[in-house]
Amino acid sequence: RKEVEQDPGPFNVPEGATVAFNCTYSNSASQSFFWYRQDCRKEPKLLMSVYSSGNEDGRFTAQLNRASQYISLLIRDSKLSDSATYLCVVNSRAGGFKTIFGAGTRLFVKA
Amino acid sequence: NAGVTQTPKFQVLKTGQSMTLQCAQDMNHNSMYWYRQDPGMGLRLIYYSASEGTTDKGEVPNGYNVSRLNKREFSLRLESAAPSQTSVYFCASRKGVGTDGYTFGSGTRLTVV
Repeated sequence: RKEVEQDPGPFNVPEGATVAFNCTYSNSASQSFFWYRQDCRKEPKLLMSVYSSGNEDGRFTAQLNRASQYISLLIRDSKLSDSATYLCVVNSRAGGFKTIFGAGTRLFVKA
Repeated sequence: NAGVTQTPKFQVLKTGQSMTLQCAQDMNHNSMYWYRQDPGMGLRLIYYSASEGTTDKGEVPNGYNVSRLNKREFSLRLESAAPSQTSVYFCASRKGVGTDGYTFGSGTRLTVV
């Protein structure tokens, strides 16, 4: 089992739709969590950190469920420009810090 | 605000050739990283430097060496390139180690033939 798992998709949604991605992690010692966005043939860029209390940034909401060991990203009112791959990233502290990237979930938003 | 600058952007090598990928950051970050990204596998850590003067192996260090030249610069060297090293390489930096997000460079697309 991979330490961080994401549904690879692709998710194909129309403009204006709400879409949600989940990411599961296996290490219960995981401490910090992030969502990154990666456009085709570009570098990953930090989208948002994920806090235990959940956090929202405009149309984007991230949540953490420590009991079930998953994080989620909700995108409301999808735009064409949201088309990208979304990477889940988990930092763990077990014998030193370790950062694991998920393989990413591809999103296509259609007009 | 340049952030993280990587060179070159593209490179084709023949098997057995050597090359150095350069990376520099201007954000006064302490830690720097080299990752490779292959389809369907996510980013995998090659080497990292938690602070100036230190380097450590990551998940996939074989076939690579690194140098933390100063606080700004962190280079990755392929001594004898192999086709298995065909990949996209990203340099990244962050202020601390555990709880900060990364800033990535724009990547180097390397093909080994």
